[in-house]
Amino acid sequence: AQKVTQAQTEISVVEKEDVTLDCVYETRDTTYYLFWYKQPPSGELVFLIRRNSFDEQNEISGRYSWNFQKSTSSFNFTITASQVVDSAVYFCALLLYSNYQLIWGAGTKLIIKP
Amino acid sequence: AAGVIQSPRHLIKEKRETATLKCYPIPRHDTVYWYQQGPGQDPQFLISFYEKMQSDKGSIPDRFSAQQFSDYHSELNMSSLELGDSALYFCASSYRTSGGDTDTQYFGPGTRLTVL
Repeated sequence: AQKVTQAQTEISVVEKEDVTLDCVYETRDTTYYLFWYKQPPSGELVFLIRRNSFDEQNEISGRYSWNFQKSTSSFNFTITASQVVDSAVYFCALLLYSNYQLIWGAGTKLIIKP
Repeated sequence: AAGVIQSPRHLIKEKRETATLKCYPIPRHDTVYWYQQGPGQDPQFLISFYEKMQSDKGSIPDRFSAQQFSDYHSELNMSSLELGDSALYFCASSYRTSGGDTDTQYFGPGTRLTVL
């Protein structure tokens, strides 16, 4: 079965703290893609990153970093020095090469307090 | 850079009415996806089109239909609207290379449908 689990329903931190959003996935496919999307209060879905199953290199983009570990089927997202504008719901998603359908996690609501 | 365009952004309808949502994908993208997102939920896949042909079907009700036109824009037609159809409807587009490799799905701003 294919599944994405975001165990943290809601996280609340004070501005400037670092925060990590967890994502664990399940699939028997050997070729797949993992994504993170951000959904701010305004509602749009913003693409953040894509990783394919053959690329386990971690990635850093400004204050954002992603840790992909196939051994634990995890694709965690860390925000360093969080800011109020980071407040949003963050979705982790799995896309199977076999059918191109995104399998979504339930999302983690991140609240950054000033 | 051009993004996915959806219209209208907001729509209010009465029960049993019909609604048509439009989506204009990013230029050169050949695949369009429709999603429905209820409050506090993750997006639910409805249907997708690749090169103007239906590609995959998800949890799309029989009351809904969709198509992709020759200019690659897509329309989601919803009939006999029910209160439960109130949701945010997203269109996304991507580009599948000739080798069948999929690319990232980029989402439009969504259409917020309210059924009264």
